[in-house]
Amino acid sequence: KNQVEQSPQSLIILEGKNCTLQCNYTVSPFSNLRWYKQDTGRGPVSLTIMTFSENTKSNGRYTATLDADTKQSSLHITASQLSDSASYICVVSYGGATNKLIFGTGTLLAVQP
Amino acid sequence: SQTIHQWPATLVQPVGSPLSLECTVEGTSNPNLYWYRQAAGRGLQLLFYSVGIGQISSEVPQNLSASRPQDRQFILSSKKLLLSDSGFYLCAWGEDRGTSGNTIYFGEGSWLTVV
Repeated sequence: KNQVEQSPQSLIILEGKNCTLQCNYTVSPFSNLRWYKQDTGRGPVSLTIMTFSENTKSNGRYTATLDADTKQSSLHITASQLSDSASYICVVSYGGATNKLIFGTGTLLAVQP
Repeated sequence: SQTIHQWPATLVQPVGSPLSLECTVEGTSNPNLYWYRQAAGRGLQLLFYSVGIGQISSEVPQNLSASRPQDRQFILSSKKLLLSDSGFYLCAWGEDRGTSGNTIYFGEGSWLTVV
């Protein structure tokens, strides 16, 4: 069964600290993996997208890694800011079409001053 | 640049009343269009997707329907709402570019509360 699991479910960190969010998937055939940021009550916004051959991709203070062998991905946030408080969603695509997506339930990050 | 608009942002509807959520995309042609629902504590669930005018595919059986009357317009409807239809609805668009480039872009969402 195609599944995407994220951990932790929620996380609280102090402003300026780093954190790492995890995503494990059992999706086949794998096409790509995305990380989205979703502010409360808003639509998700894409942070990164990685294909099978990509190990890491950065977007500002966000760095995503992908290990296709172990089917794991992580999202590392450096020098967190209050505006980073949001839900971070891991999404895995299978079959190559945009309608073939499996969404994780997200990690809710709270950055405190 | 491409933009996606979705409305209304919030609505409260009584059980048994009709529903119409609208979504339009600007700055692109012949996009794939999607309706998702997000329940609390659960991942986004694909409800409908469309690859062209009048072409609608449903992923799950439900009390809802979708229509695409124009290339960049996608409408989510119901004739009679149920309490279980409450949730956060997201419209999205994307383009199939094989395995590497297909990103989904989401609208701002619509909060539906059925009372």
